[in-house]
Amino acid sequence: DAGVIQSPRHEVTEMGQEVTLRCKPISGHNSLFWYRQTMMRGLELLIYFNNNVPIDDSGMPEDRFSAKMPNASFSTLKIQPSEPRDSAVYFCASSLRGGSSYEQYFGPGTRLTVT
Amino acid sequence: AQSVTQLGSHVSVSEGALVLLRCNYSSSVPPYLFWYVQYPNQGLQLLLKYTSAATLVKGINGFEAEFKKSETSFHLTKPSAHMSDAAEYFCAVSLNRDDKIIFGKGTRLHILP
Repeated sequence: DAGVIQSPRHEVTEMGQEVTLRCKPISGHNSLFWYRQTMMRGLELLIYFNNNVPIDDSGMPEDRFSAKMPNASFSTLKIQPSEPRDSAVYFCASSLRGGSSYEQYFGPGTRLTVT
Repeated sequence: AQSVTQLGSHVSVSEGALVLLRCNYSSSVPPYLFWYVQYPNQGLQLLLKYTSAATLVKGINGFEAEFKKSETSFHLTKPSAHMSDAAEYFCAVSLNRDDKIIFGKGTRLHILP
């Protein structure tokens, strides 16, 4: 299995631009999580989906952030407009809800720098 | 609400010495507890998990953790540190097996030669 795939691995953009981060979960997994990691705030859960439906988006910082999961094999996290304080590493993770092993598998992350 | 507190953002041990990373949890119900490891420029990887089956949990790479309800603790240990253990370690808690996981702030482990 290829594991969780995230793209791009690195993104540098200017303040005000739209940024789209992409995630492909492990095939067969039915839960998907988006996290943000910074030195100051640590690892924060932004939103998670079960069976493509958003379950808890209470961690989404503000309306500039949005996430979609149009099908079981793809999700996006969009920031529009981006700000320097959005600079962080964004992780996607997937798991099999209801399975015998409910471990979350993390992708390698996207390092976002907003200048 | 559930939460975890990791004591010490940085821990240094000599190669071959005991590794002890501390984690205390807060939960209104019997929790599910996890330790994850993050190597530089990588995502998190599960080390071990506690799900009420046994209080002493063994994980990968020689790590283990003991659930102590009376102390609300889930400390991570390894008898003998290797240089390859240098990484950041996260304790995490969940209310049930299919719920979201709340991570601690992390402890960076440094191994001294």
